[in-house]
Amino acid sequence: AQKITQTQPGMFVQEKEAVTLDCTYDTSDQSYGLFWYKQPSSGEMIFLIYQGSYDEQNATEGRYSLNFQKARKSANLVISASQLGDSAMYFCAMRRGFKTIFGAGTRLFVKA
Amino acid sequence: EAQVTQNPRYLITVTGKKLTVTCSQNMNHEYMSWYRQDPGLGLRQIYYSMNVEVTDKGDVPEGYKVSRKEKRNFPLILESPSPNQTSLYFCASSPNVLNYEQYFGPGTRLTVT
Repeated sequence: AQKITQTQPGMFVQEKEAVTLDCTYDTSDQSYGLFWYKQPSSGEMIFLIYQGSYDEQNATEGRYSLNFQKARKSANLVISASQLGDSAMYFCAMRRGFKTIFGAGTRLFVKA
Repeated sequence: EAQVTQNPRYLITVTGKKLTVTCSQNMNHEYMSWYRQDPGLGLRQIYYSMNVEVTDKGDVPEGYKVSRKEKRNFPLILESPSPNQTSLYFCASSPNVLNYEQYFGPGTRLTVT
C-alpha cells in the first residue's frame, strides 16, 4: 500500500538557519510525483515544490529544495535561511496516477 | 484571477440533513479532487474526477457523493451527514492528471452535531 511518513510532528528552528523536514514514502510504482505543501495558520494550502520520480536532479524553488533519495525512498524538504513567515504546517505528498496521499504533517516554528 | 472557490466556507449542520459543498475552478482544469483534513491524519482523498462525467473513489469515499456535469464544477454531497464527517474539506484542481501541482480552494469547515 502507498504510504507517506513524516516522523517529526513539530520542529523548532532559529530564524536565518536552515531546517530539514523529513518525509519517507512507500510505493512499488516506478512513476510517481512527490511534492510539499505549506499550510499557514490562515488555512490555505500553498504548493512549494515538486519532484518527479524520474528526475535525476533535486528540485529547487528559491529557498526550498527537495533532497530526493530514491533508493531510500525519502524526499526531505530543506528550507534555507528560515524566516518568521515560514512558521506553518508542512505536508509531504505523493501522487501516483489519479490518486494522491498526504503525510500527517510537520508543524514548524521559527524562533526570532 | 485564477482560483478555486468553495462554498460555504463554514457550515454547522445536524445529523442526517443533506448538504452540498460547491467547488468551482476558472482555469479549465481537467482534474479535480476533494480532500478532508483531520488533526494528525493530514489530508485524505475522498473522490477525484479526471474529466467531465468521469469520477472515482479516493481513500475515504464512504458517506460522500460527487458529480462532474461541467468541467468547472465538482460539488461534494453528503446525503446523510454524521458527526464523524466533521472536518475541514478542500477542493483542488490541476490541468490534467500528468500535471502534479494542484491548486487548492480555501477550505470548508464543516461541523455536524
